[in-house]
Amino acid sequence: ETGVTQSPTHLIKTRGQQVTLRCSSQSGHNTVSWYQQALGQGPQFIFQYYREEENGRGNFPPRFSGLQFPNYSSELNVNALELDDSALYLCASSIGQGDEQYFGPGTRLTVT
Amino acid sequence: GIQVEQSPPDLILQEGANSTLRCNFSDSVNNLQWFHQNPWGQLINLFYIPSGTKQNGRLSATTVATERYSLLYISSSQTTDSGVYFCAVGDDKIIFGKGTRLHILP
Repeated sequence: ETGVTQSPTHLIKTRGQQVTLRCSSQSGHNTVSWYQQALGQGPQFIFQYYREEENGRGNFPPRFSGLQFPNYSSELNVNALELDDSALYLCASSIGQGDEQYFGPGTRLTVT
Repeated sequence: GIQVEQSPPDLILQEGANSTLRCNFSDSVNNLQWFHQNPWGQLINLFYIPSGTKQNGRLSATTVATERYSLLYISSSQTTDSGVYFCAVGDDKIIFGKGTRLHILP
């Protein structure tokens, strides 16, 4: 059984640019959640997708958007990058909403 | 929204000691998880425990849902137990606590 994978592992972008991060769910999981973790903080919930529909969102501006594909993999898109967007971005998958979540290794984004 | 508080924020122990980490939450929840984050950032599942008690080796956890708290017990600590421990609650919006940073000294 393949676990949750994320790509890329590291990324450096310039302020104002756009970025796409990718996540492949664990086999059999149809729910994906994205989190932002700043240095020294706990993960902050961005949004959750269930069967290709967004069904929960945290306090993040609309320039954070996502997609879930029919194979339940997912993308996180961030437009107009700001310096404060520098963080570890984590993806988690679960069988369903509210079920046990399994995390990928994360993508470390640096915005300069 | 739900508030999640973890205590203590930091804990330094000698190898072999026991520890108890606490997670308080402000509203009833249908799920609660404990994670250990290693130095590379990977969140490792410890327990999925909306209620009751579970044990896995030297680790155990208890959630008392009616009183809105959960406890994580670590016995006979090892240096590899060092890291940050998080609890997280919620269904469509998952809230993490700020974590407990555990340092086990050899």
